[in-house]
Amino acid sequence: QVQLVQFGAEVKMPGSSVKVSCKASGGTFSSYAISWVRQAPGQGLEWMGGIMPVFGTTNYAQKFQGRATITTDESTSTAYMELSSLRSEDTAVYYCARAVGARNTYFDYWGHGTLVTVSS
Amino acid sequence: EIVMTQSPATLSVSPGERATLSCRASQSVSSNLAWYQQKPGQAPRLLIYGASTRATGIPARFSGSGSATEFTLTISSLQSEDFAVYYCQQYDYWPPLTFGGGTNVEI
Repeated sequence: QVQLVQFGAEVKMPGSSVKVSCKASGGTFSSYAISWVRQAPGQGLEWMGGIMPVFGTTNYAQKFQGRATITTDESTSTAYMELSSLRSEDTAVYYCARAVGARNTYFDYWGHGTLVTVSS
Repeated sequence: EIVMTQSPATLSVSPGERATLSCRASQSVSSNLAWYQQKPGQAPRLLIYGASTRATGIPARFSGSGSATEFTLTISSLQSEDFAVYYCQQYDYWPPLTFGGGTNVEI
């Protein structure tokens, strides 16, 4: 049984950074691509970027290029997404999602999400 | 970037009725199209991939069709648990992977 476990919530000041974690259990962690998808309050889903450990590559949506960093720690089967220079518009639920296969495709397993609130 | 447009934004239906949701891509995505269901406070759940293949455990009342730029998700007979927001997502050309804006299926 595959599970992606995320912590509940973070509150951050504008201009700071947040690092969100996603611990996987079940399956072979490094065989699958992991993406981060965010959802602002009352809004739709927005893909931020994904990492493909099999290929050693990471891709980002242009909007987040230079501000988001996605990494993995294979020793703990954990994926991370760090977002810097936070602003109020970054307030959202951040989901990790496992792709079907080694490439960024569609997602069969999702974490429960981490609510990041950016407020002074 | 491929833009995904869903219609309608809100669909009002009664239990037992048929619901038809549309998704249009700004350029061809072949059959590389997935559908998700999201209920309030929950993560999205994969329903359909490859435009028409149901994911594991998804009831047969959910069906997907289409190719290239026009796609449809049909729920043949709405059950109470089907009232939710539905998103389409293309994975043909990336980055970025892109989602539609969603269709809210309400009573």
